[in-house]
Amino acid sequence: KAGVTQTPRYLIKTRGQQVTLSCSPISGHRSVSWYQQTPGQGLQFLFEYFSETQRNKGNFPGRFSGRQFSNSRSEMNVSTLELGDSALYLCASSFTPPTSDQETQYFGPGTRLLVL
Amino acid sequence: QKEVEQDPGPLSVPEGAIVSLNCTYSNSAFQYFMWYRQYSRKGPELLMYTYSSGNKEDGRFTAQVDKSSKYISLFIRDSQPSDSATYLCAMMGRGSTLGRLYFGRGTQLTVWP
Repeated sequence: KAGVTQTPRYLIKTRGQQVTLSCSPISGHRSVSWYQQTPGQGLQFLFEYFSETQRNKGNFPGRFSGRQFSNSRSEMNVSTLELGDSALYLCASSFTPPTSDQETQYFGPGTRLLVL
Repeated sequence: QKEVEQDPGPLSVPEGAIVSLNCTYSNSAFQYFMWYRQYSRKGPELLMYTYSSGNKEDGRFTAQVDKSSKYISLFIRDSQPSDSATYLCAMMGRGSTLGRLYFGRGTQLTVWP
C-alpha cells in the first residue's frame, strides 16, 4: 500500500510570494493533518481535516490555510511568505473516526520550503 | 510550560547498549501515545503506538506508558548504528483534540560502532 505522498519535495520562494503544498493520504485514510517543523520550535500543528471539514486548527496566523478534497487529498497554502516560514512542512494521514488502535498518524516525507 | 517535555540530548551510546528515552506531559486528557523515529531530512516514521497505560513490545523496542505519573518511555535493546536518528514522542487526546498530535522536541540519538 502506498504511503503518504507530498509534492513538491523542495521549494524556494521569495518574501511576499505565496505557495501551495499538496498531500495525498494513504488509501482509505480520511483525516489529514499538517505540521510545521523547524529547528527552533520542533513540530507544530497547523490544522487537521476530515471529510473536507477543518476540525482542528493550531496557533498559526491566517496566512496559513488549507483545504481537503472529496478524494481526501489536501492542500495547504501560505500567503505573503515571510523568512520565518522556512521549514519542513509535513502531512500526516490516519483512519478516523476512531476504531480501537487504528488512530495513529502516518507521515509523508515533507516539503522543504526555503523563503529568501 | 509545554504540554510535552522531552530531553533533546544529544545521547551517544556504544553499539549493543540499552537506550532509554523519556517524555513527560501535563495534559491528563492524552489517551494515545506514540514514538516516531526521524532520520535526517526525512519525515517521521511511526515506531510504536500505545493506547492508554501499559507496556508494548515490538522486537528490540519497548514502549511504556504510566498515565498516573504522566510519563512515557521507549527502550531500545541491543542498539545498532542504524538506530541513530531523532526520536520524537507524540500524544493525542480524544474529542475536540482528536487528530492533533502534540510532540516533544525530540531526542537525538547516536549509536557508535
